[in-house]
Amino acid sequence: GESVGLHLPTLSVQEGDNSIINCAYSNSASDYFIWYKQESGKGPQFIIDIRSNMDKRQGQRVTVLLNKTVKHLSLQIAATQPGDSAVYFCAENLNQAGTALIFGKGTTLSVSS
Amino acid sequence: DADVTQTPRNRITKTGKRIMLECSQTKGHDRMYWYRQDPGLGLRLIYYSFDVKDINKGEISDGYSVSRQAQAKFSLSLESAIPNQTALYFCATSDLNLRQGTDTQYFGPGTRLTVL
Repeated sequence: GESVGLHLPTLSVQEGDNSIINCAYSNSASDYFIWYKQESGKGPQFIIDIRSNMDKRQGQRVTVLLNKTVKHLSLQIAATQPGDSAVYFCAENLNQAGTALIFGKGTTLSVSS
Repeated sequence: DADVTQTPRNRITKTGKRIMLECSQTKGHDRMYWYRQDPGLGLRLIYYSFDVKDINKGEISDGYSVSRQAQAKFSLSLESAIPNQTALYFCATSDLNLRQGTDTQYFGPGTRLTVL
C-alpha cells in the first residue's frame, strides 16, 4: 500500500489567498519529508524539506508544518499567485541513509485571477 | 533542472522493441534514480543506484533493467516494450548530507514514452 498520500486531489484558490496543501503519511519511522512542485511538462522541482526533529520550517512564501503525533504534513503557500498553479507532491524518506523517497499521488493547485 | 538531462524527450515505439532511456547529470551526485509517472498514480520508483557499483530494485522493476555506466550516467532499458509501459519517465539525482540529514532529489525534464 501507499505510505504517503494527500487529502485532496485538487485545490482551487483565488490569487492572493493563502493555500494549504495537506499530506498524511503512515510510517512513523519516516524522518525526512520533502515537498515538490511539478508544472505541466516539467520534472518535479524541490520546494522545501523538513526533518522529523522539526515542527515547522519556512522558506520564501512557503511554510511546511510537520505533526508527528498524527503523521500529518502540510505545505502553506502565502499570497498564492497564478505561477503557483501546479501539482504538488509530498515525499518521505524512511531513513536518511537507506531507501529512496516514497511519493504521494499529488494535489493539483489551480489559482484563478 | 538543466543539471540533469534526459534523452530522448519523446519516444514512440512498438510492442516488443528494446528501448533505452538515458540520463546524465553534472551535479556530481552519487545517487541516481529512475521513476515512472502515470496519471493519478504519482511517481513510482523503478530502480536506484547509490554509487557506480550499486544497483537496487524499486517498487516496479519488472520489465526494466538499468546500467550505471559512470557516476554521471544512469540508463534505463525496457527489454521488450509493452503498451502498459507507456508513461512519463523521470531520472533524478541526490547527494546524501549526513550532517544535515537530508537527501534531496533533483529531477530531469522527463521522457514521454509511448508503446504502441
